[in-house]
Amino acid sequence: DGGITQSPKYLFRKEGQNVTLSCEQNLNHDAMYWYRQDPGQGLRLIYYSQIVNDFQKGDIAEGYSVSREKKESFPLTVTSAQKNPTAFYLCASKWGGVTGELFFGEGSRLTVL
Amino acid sequence: GQNIDQPTEMTATEGAIVQINCTYQTSGFNGLFWYQQHAGEAPTFLSYNVLDGLEEKGRFSSFLSRSKGYSYLLLKELQMKDSASYLCAVWSSASKIIFGSGTRLSIRP
Repeated sequence: DGGITQSPKYLFRKEGQNVTLSCEQNLNHDAMYWYRQDPGQGLRLIYYSQIVNDFQKGDIAEGYSVSREKKESFPLTVTSAQKNPTAFYLCASKWGGVTGELFFGEGSRLTVL
Repeated sequence: GQNIDQPTEMTATEGAIVQINCTYQTSGFNGLFWYQQHAGEAPTFLSYNVLDGLEEKGRFSSFLSRSKGYSYLLLKELQMKDSASYLCAVWSSASKIIFGSGTRLSIRP
C-alpha cells in the first residue's frame, strides 16, 4: 500500500543529544514537509522540500536540520540547539501539481528527559 | 506576513449544524485545505478548495472566498465522533503549506 512511514513512533532523548526522525514515502510525491505540534496547538512548519537536493526553512527551523538525498526520504534531525524539543512531529508529502491533498504519516512523539 | 485565524474552541449539539470559520493573509495562494484531527492522531483530509464557492462532500461542505481571504467548514447532522480539532491550512507560494492553530469542536448529546 502507498503511504508515508515515520519512525520511531515514540522516542526518548536526554538533553544535549541529537536525534533523527525518519520519514519515507512511496507515493512518488515531489514535495515533503515536517511539522511540529505542541499540545492543544496547530501544526507549525519546520522545513519543506519541493524536489530532491533542495529544501527551505519553515517558520520554526532553528535547532533542526534536514536532507533530501532521495525523492522518497526526508529525515529530520532535532539537534541539541533546539531549546524545547518535546513535541509531536508530523511528516507529510504532496504531489507537486496544482491539486491534491497533503498526506500525513502517523507521527513521531519525542520526549526529552 | 502570513497569518491564519480560526476560533480556538466551539461547542455544538448532536444532530445540529456547525460552521467553523477561517480567515487568512498569505503571500500567494494556491488553495486551502481542511483537516480533521483526533487527539494523538495524524490529521485526516476533509477538503481542498482552490476556486471560489461551495464544495459539498456528504455531511461536510467547505466554502472559499479568495477576495475576502475567508473560508468555512460546515458540518451537518453532527455526530459524537465529530468531536475533534479542525485545521485550516493554506498552500501559499513556492509549495509552502501553513496551518492555523486549529478549532477544537466539542459535541454534546
